[in-house]
Amino acid sequence: NAGVMQNPRHLVRRRGQEARLRCSPMKGHSHVYWYRQLPEEGLKFMVYLQKENIIDESGMPKERFSAEFPKEGPSILRIQQVVRGDSAAYFCASSPASGEKLFFGSGTQLSVL
Amino acid sequence: QKEVEQDPGPLSVPEGAIVSLNCTYSNSAFQYFMWYRQYSRKGPELLMYTYSSGNKEDGRFTAQVDKSSKYISLFIRDSQPSDSATYLCAMSDANNNDMRFGAGTRLTVKP
Repeated sequence: NAGVMQNPRHLVRRRGQEARLRCSPMKGHSHVYWYRQLPEEGLKFMVYLQKENIIDESGMPKERFSAEFPKEGPSILRIQQVVRGDSAAYFCASSPASGEKLFFGSGTQLSVL
Repeated sequence: QKEVEQDPGPLSVPEGAIVSLNCTYSNSAFQYFMWYRQYSRKGPELLMYTYSSGNKEDGRFTAQVDKSSKYISLFIRDSQPSDSATYLCAMSDANNNDMRFGAGTRLTVKP
C-alpha cells in the first residue's frame, strides 16, 4: 500500500516561471492538505481539498497560488510567476476523512533562482 | 503570540537519556493533539495521536496532554541515536480542517 506520493522531489524554476507540484494521496484517502515549510520553521497550512472541492484555502496567498484535486488524478498545487520567496519545501498530506490522522508525503523542494 | 509555541532547540542529549519535548497553545478549540517526527529531507511521520487529557504510551514514547494548562509533552525514554530528528507538535479542532504545527524541536542523541 503506497503512501502519499509527491513529485517532483526537487523542482528548480527561474523567477517568473510556473511551478506545478503533484500529490497522489494514499489509496482510499479523499482528503488532501498542502503545507509549506521554511528552514527552522514549522509547517504552515495552505489549503485543504476534497475531491473536486476546495474546503479551506485560508492559508494560501490570494494571488499566484491555486490548488485543485480533480475527480481523476493527483492534486496539483500551482504557483504562477514564481519569486525567490516561494522557495521552500511543500508537503502534501492525506487522510481518509475529516478529523482523521494525516499522512505526509516526502515533499517537493522548490528552488527559485 | 503564535497559536502554537514550541522551543526550536536544538536539544542534544547522550544516548539513554530521557527527553522531554513541549508545546503550549492558546486556542481552546483544539481537540486533537499529535506529535510528528521528521528526518532531514523527509516528510513528517506521525508518532502519537491523542484527543484527551492524560497520558498515552507507545513503547519508549509517552504523550501527555493537559488541556486545562494548554500544554502538551512528548517523553522519549532510553533515547537512541536513531531518535535524532526534528519533532513537531500539531493540533487541530474537531473538524481537523486546519492543523496547526509548532516550529519543531531539533533533537540530537549522541552515542
